[in-house]
Amino acid sequence: EAGVVQSPRYKIIEKKQPVAFWCNPISGHNTLYWYRQNLGQGPELLIRYENEEAVDDSQLPKDRFSAERLKGVDSTLKIQPAELGDSAVYLCASSPRPNEKLFFGSGTQLSVL
Amino acid sequence: SQELEQSPQSLIVQEGKNLTINCTSSKTLYGLYWYKQKYGEGLIFLMMLQKGGEEKSHEKITAKLDEKKQQSSLHITASQPSHAGIYLCGAAYNQAGTALIFGKGTTLSVSS
Repeated sequence: EAGVVQSPRYKIIEKKQPVAFWCNPISGHNTLYWYRQNLGQGPELLIRYENEEAVDDSQLPKDRFSAERLKGVDSTLKIQPAELGDSAVYLCASSPRPNEKLFFGSGTQLSVL
Repeated sequence: SQELEQSPQSLIVQEGKNLTINCTSSKTLYGLYWYKQKYGEGLIFLMMLQKGGEEKSHEKITAKLDEKKQQSSLHITASQPSHAGIYLCGAAYNQAGTALIFGKGTTLSVSS
């Protein structure tokens, strides 16, 4: 069974440019998460989806970040415009249902110059 | 997150030695998860604990949950270079299924 797939693996952009990350969760997993992990820190939740509904986006900086989960499967996270402080690893995770263990993708390492 | 404190922040042990990592929550836990992360990569699930006093083992790694203290410990016996990485604890705080809150992680280095 394929795991959580994220792309791209690495992304380097200049500040003020837009950037998008893509996530394909494990088949059948209804719950999808986007986390951001800064260097030396634990992952912090950005947004959680139950199927196609965003049920927790309280930590998503909505002035520049947006996310969508089309048809309750794949998800895209976008930043526009990117700032220097957005440099981090963006992790996607999925679980079959809430409160079950999370399966993580390999992450997208973003560097904003 | 200040809700979840991990100690120590980093650890260097000699191959073959035992070690313990702690994770303490400031709030009542519904469940506690342990993950391992290699630098720049995703998190790999190790164990999940839910009941007070619960203890789980996988190969040379044992995790325990002390419900009274709202604390979990991860113990590695006879450490090997393959155990090196970042160990993260993640807390679930209610049954409704909110996302895991993670600690800052403990970086483990094993010298041969």
